[in-house]
Amino acid sequence: QQPVQSPQAVILREGEDAVINCSSSKALYSVHWYRQKHGEAPVFLMILLKGGEQKGHEKISASFNEKKQQSSLYLTASQLSYSGTYFCGTEHLDGTSYGKLTFGQGTILTVHP
Amino acid sequence: DAGVIQSPRHEVTEMGQEVTLRCKPISGHDYLFWYRQTMMRGLELLIYFNNNVPIDDSGMPEDRFSAKMPNASFSTLKIQPSEPRDSAVYFCASRFGQSSYNEQFFGPGTRLTVL
Repeated sequence: QQPVQSPQAVILREGEDAVINCSSSKALYSVHWYRQKHGEAPVFLMILLKGGEQKGHEKISASFNEKKQQSSLYLTASQLSYSGTYFCGTEHLDGTSYGKLTFGQGTILTVHP
Repeated sequence: DAGVIQSPRHEVTEMGQEVTLRCKPISGHDYLFWYRQTMMRGLELLIYFNNNVPIDDSGMPEDRFSAKMPNASFSTLKIQPSEPRDSAVYFCASRFGQSSYNEQFFGPGTRLTVL
């Protein structure tokens, strides 16, 4: 089942922060975050494996709340280069999705000067 | 490394024609995935292979779609006959090892237009 991302779209000015959420109706085993720029392929950002785990990549970080079956992506002091569509991909504990990711519908992030 | 290679990058065909999309995964990767991306349905997994063996084809929409991986360095996705609703961007991705630990690398995609 497809995870649900929110918001669907967000518009920022350079330097502002944003949070993108990814929620699943099934118990999560891992969450993968990707960013896709227009006309290009998705590019990997990070993987979160355990409940409560946080990871960071420069000014982009993420958390994984196992109890809530949710992951959040945090973009701090946004830059123009952050613009794009962000996808979460989930892997579940039920065994039916082992080895494959189910992607959310995406969150369109636009950063203006 | 050249990354995942897909061909053609663009394909325009007429309804009823056969379409073959090609993918060369990153050398050494043992998983290969075919995705379809549309505005309406987002990024959908069609099928994936492990060590050239199809593991899950539950995302393949119809019998018109078929995929093969004859060896570790080549895979095809075929649509026969094609229909306008097949128009989409088709991505191939590859990965080394189990998903929990490793990222998928996506190819540049093939933009398919069926008239």
